[in-house]
Amino acid sequence: DTGVSQNPRHKITKRGQNVTFRCDPISEHNRLYWYRQTLGQGPEFLTYFQNEAQLEKSRLLSDRFSAERPKGSFSTLEIQRTEQGDSAMYLCASSVNGNTIYFGEGSWLTVV
Amino acid sequence: GENVEQHPSTLSVQEGDSAVIKCTYSDSASNYFPWYKQELGKGPQLIIDIRSNVGEKKDQRIAVTLNKTAKHFSLHITETQPEDSAVYFCAASNPYNQGGKLIFGQGTELSVKP
Repeated sequence: DTGVSQNPRHKITKRGQNVTFRCDPISEHNRLYWYRQTLGQGPEFLTYFQNEAQLEKSRLLSDRFSAERPKGSFSTLEIQRTEQGDSAMYLCASSVNGNTIYFGEGSWLTVV
Repeated sequence: GENVEQHPSTLSVQEGDSAVIKCTYSDSASNYFPWYKQELGKGPQLIIDIRSNVGEKKDQRIAVTLNKTAKHFSLHITETQPEDSAVYFCAASNPYNQGGKLIFGQGTELSVKP
């Protein structure tokens, strides 16, 4: 499978705990995006990377959220001190220079 | 910033009928318009896209039309089948600005009844 890979697919955590999601983009894709999706809504942009550089962050990305792409390949999204409002599906996507964006299967987060 | 409106929010058709989903966008600089199909519990799957230099694109039973003057684009599915049942999202972006981030519509839940 050479598509965008995300793990874990599901995570249940207690409020206040930290969680980390990993994304492996399609090989040779220089842009990597993170989106968040809640039930009944379309995906909302969080942030994106051009190679290893994080070039834009949405206002949705509070100080508790941090994303990295250290070597320009895989990326991690960490949420610190999780809150119930963080419960959502976190989607990763990748592209070559912003053309034809492909999504992974998402990582479901449930904060209890 | 860009805003994308999508209608209808739900659509129910009989198997074999056609389905049409419409979207409007606000930013005239947007020039890339993909459509995604999302099944329950899965990520969005790209089904067709169109760029601003083209007015229409077709791929088997699926077609997309774009009217740049009116800033709207539509998805047409002909000869619908039960496996077409899913949530469909339209999106807009400018690959040369803001990283090509996609702005999504609110989604249309399509139900195809056998």
